[in-house]
Amino acid sequence: DSGVTQTPKHLITATGQRVTLRCSPRSGDLSVYWYQQSLDQGLQFLIQYYNGEERAKGNILERFSAQQFPDLHSELNLSSLELGDSALYFCASSPLADPGYNEQFFGPGTRLTVL
Amino acid sequence: DQQVKQNSPSLSVQEGRISILNCDYTNSMFDYFLWYKKYPAEGPTFLISISSIKDKNEDGRFTVFLNKSAKHLSLHIVPSQPGDSAVYFCAASGGSQGNLIFGKGTKLSVKP
Repeated sequence: DSGVTQTPKHLITATGQRVTLRCSPRSGDLSVYWYQQSLDQGLQFLIQYYNGEERAKGNILERFSAQQFPDLHSELNLSSLELGDSALYFCASSPLADPGYNEQFFGPGTRLTVL
Repeated sequence: DQQVKQNSPSLSVQEGRISILNCDYTNSMFDYFLWYKKYPAEGPTFLISISSIKDKNEDGRFTVFLNKSAKHLSLHIVPSQPGDSAVYFCAASGGSQGNLIFGKGTKLSVKP
């Protein structure tokens, strides 16, 4: 158990809908990262928040947005969903702001299916 | 354009033998490399890392080798155990790319 929790575990929705994925980082970790893993793809970095502020942005679509709240939990909002958005979405956390030189701890993921 | 490539989608090894997982990268600015292991229905877990100032890092049965001139790294697992069966992801960071760039993974199957 990494200490990172994600809810829900599974989500099935229809095209055009909007969903919210939730992540609680490990106790004491200030950075939260969101990744997308589509079929047969590696983990694609979406966005990072550090202590409530956006720190880095990756290949995140404009239809997607995220935020980190004062209690450090984070939410990833996906809107106008398309079939291609079906994927595993992972949240990770780490103590530091610099994402590249320290280990990230991953949650179990949310499997999103768009029908 | 994939900056981190794991060209073998799968690898099958007999228990007790050596498993060698390979990873190539294209960005010469990468200076930190990590391996993650992922079991089904779980998130990736950190396994081992190596900085570009080293060419080898060892942790128990796991050793990572880095060849900077070839832009290649490999993970050796000796001896392999059935519990090592998982998907292994290589990741890299450095330079202007501060975040982790992951490969697509290699599925390792260790047969008893």
